[in-house]
Amino acid sequence: SYELTQPPSVSVSPGQTASITCSGDKLGDKYACWYQQKPGQSPVLVIYQDSKRPSGIPERFSGSNSGNTATLTISGTQAMDEADYYCQAWDSSRGYVFGTGTKVTVL
Amino acid sequence: QVQLQESGPGLVKPSETLSLTCTVSGGSISSYYWSWIRQPAGKGLEWIGRIYTSGSTNYNPSLKSRVTMSVDTSKNQFSLKLSSVTAADTAVYYCARVLAVAGTAGWFDPWGQGTLVTVSS
Repeated sequence: SYELTQPPSVSVSPGQTASITCSGDKLGDKYACWYQQKPGQSPVLVIYQDSKRPSGIPERFSGSNSGNTATLTISGTQAMDEADYYCQAWDSSRGYVFGTGTKVTVL
Repeated sequence: QVQLQESGPGLVKPSETLSLTCTVSGGSISSYYWSWIRQPAGKGLEWIGRIYTSGSTNYNPSLKSRVTMSVDTSKNQFSLKLSSVTAADTAVYYCARVLAVAGTAGWFDPWGQGTLVTVSS
């Protein structure tokens, strides 16, 4: 069955760049999106269709997708970006598949 | 803007049926897919299923035998039923709208605030 794998955790210093990867078989042939979830809150869409930002999402959030890996990049990371991040794609057999999730810590 | 609100019992007994409703406000439920997603405490997200306003459904294969979704366009609501629940079904249940461009399955936006359902006797 189709799976999306993310690193459990990523640490970043304020103002630096955080990169979160999402790996899946031929993921680059699919569209990937990303959600941010802060403690006790619902997930919020931050990237869709690999690299598009919804209205209201800061420009420091960007995305790419190629080969077997999609990447969410947070440039100039701020303390408010500390959260769990999930990738998501569609698989014809499983439906909507979420990644395993990555906890981003801003040190 | 569109807002979603889940409602339903917070406690369900093992072997019984979990029933939740999602009420859509600030926009029409028509012409979109709508989904249910759940998240056990401290764990990741799991897609449960989606329904179009015509009533057409797709379910997660791992839950398909126990899931039924329905839609009531007159009330701007859609619903989830999950039968024969066990403790493993204890989770926060979210409803969400599916947005997509033609030929793609899309993404979830926005999400409801979520409702905790505990399965326990």
